[in-house]
Amino acid sequence: AQKVTQAQTEISVVEKEDVTLDCVYETRDTTYYLFWYKQPPSGELVFLIRRNSFDEQNEISGRYSWNFQKSTSSFNFTITASQVVDSAVYFCALIDGSSNTGKLIFGQGTTLQVKP
Amino acid sequence: DTGVSQDPRHKITKRGQNVTFRCDPISEHNRLYWYRQTLGQGPEFLTYFQNEAQLEKSRLLSDRFSAERPKGSFSTLEIQRTEQGDSAMYLCASSPGGQGLSGANVLTFGAGSRLTVL
Repeated sequence: AQKVTQAQTEISVVEKEDVTLDCVYETRDTTYYLFWYKQPPSGELVFLIRRNSFDEQNEISGRYSWNFQKSTSSFNFTITASQVVDSAVYFCALIDGSSNTGKLIFGQGTTLQVKP
Repeated sequence: DTGVSQDPRHKITKRGQNVTFRCDPISEHNRLYWYRQTLGQGPEFLTYFQNEAQLEKSRLLSDRFSAERPKGSFSTLEIQRTEQGDSAMYLCASSPGGQGLSGANVLTFGAGSRLTVL
């Protein structure tokens, strides 16, 4: 079965601290996609990144970086020098490799609070 | 392109009433998804349309729930005889076409319709 686990329910940091959000996934498929979405208080899910299972290169986008490790089935997300505007719920998600629908399977989410 | 629109944004209803939510996807997107999100949880898949065809339904979608996408444009999600357990945020998302994982396009989500059943 496909599953995404985000063990950290809530994280609180002070502005300018670095923070890492963990994501562990399970799938029997060799081909799959992993995603991160941000859900600010307004409620709309905002796409951050997509990574396919054949590309294990780490990615950096401004203050955001992602570490994909197939050996540990993890796809962790780091925010460097966090800001108050980063406060949101962050979801890791997987596209089921055996499905042709492209439906996302989400983790439970991690609530990040960045205090000034 | 105004993104994915959902209406209404909030709905309060009494138990036993019927409610209907509407989703207008991005116009060129032929894939449309409905998800349900309860407090403190991640979104859970409900159903998927490719154009007007409903191709997958979750076991979460009981017989009180029905979704349609006439003409492959907007979609509606109706809940009949609402129960308190139906209280949740109902999210709609759309994505461009494509087959299998080669079409693993990014889903664009609407702001959601929040349902409160009293």
